[in-house]
Amino acid sequence: DGGITQSPKYLFRKEGQNVTLSCEQNLNHDAMYWYRQDPGQGLRLIYYSQIVNDFQKGDIAEGYSVSREKKESFPLTVTSAQKNPTAFYLCASSIRSAQPQHFGDGTRLSIL
Amino acid sequence: RKEVEQDPGPFNVPEGATVAFNCTYSNSASQSFFWYRQDCRKEPKLLMSVYSSGNEDGRFTAQLNRASQYISLLIRDSKLSDSATYLCVVNIGGGSQGNLIFGKGTKLSVKP
Repeated sequence: DGGITQSPKYLFRKEGQNVTLSCEQNLNHDAMYWYRQDPGQGLRLIYYSQIVNDFQKGDIAEGYSVSREKKESFPLTVTSAQKNPTAFYLCASSIRSAQPQHFGDGTRLSIL
Repeated sequence: RKEVEQDPGPFNVPEGATVAFNCTYSNSASQSFFWYRQDCRKEPKLLMSVYSSGNEDGRFTAQLNRASQYISLLIRDSKLSDSATYLCVVNIGGGSQGNLIFGKGTKLSVKP
């Protein structure tokens, strides 16, 4: 069954802590994305990767980091520098840029 | 002009009604257009792509007007299950390249 898997579904972060959100896809897609969605707001792009070992900052990259060591995986780390991390985080993938994106079911991050 | 702009709604309609949403975009060179549906607290899901000649999928019709730079979504015979937020999505950067920009969405509520 092809798709995108995000984990965990819910995550709590303590002050000063880095946390990592997992995103795995078995769709053989080249491009992967991370978005943040705040209540009642649209999606904002954090980082994207068009190919393995390469990634680019999106509109709100400050306080976040990513890696793309494997085609299937694009983990997002929310660092302690991100002062307002509470949000719904969505990972997506597409065959290539500008093609329809398919989303995982998201991770809800809150501050303890 | 914002890159992708939608009327946030909400649109409150009775079952069986026909409802239409418009979305304007700023980059005249954009070539990829989509409508997504997002249920409350869920991930966005692709509803349909929008083609130059317009396209239909059951009760849903999508249109593209390049001259005025807008796309539209028409829903006929609304069902209770159509209640959701509808996201307009356009590629930036022009041509078939560039990332997708998601509008903030139009909320639809279908009442019995």
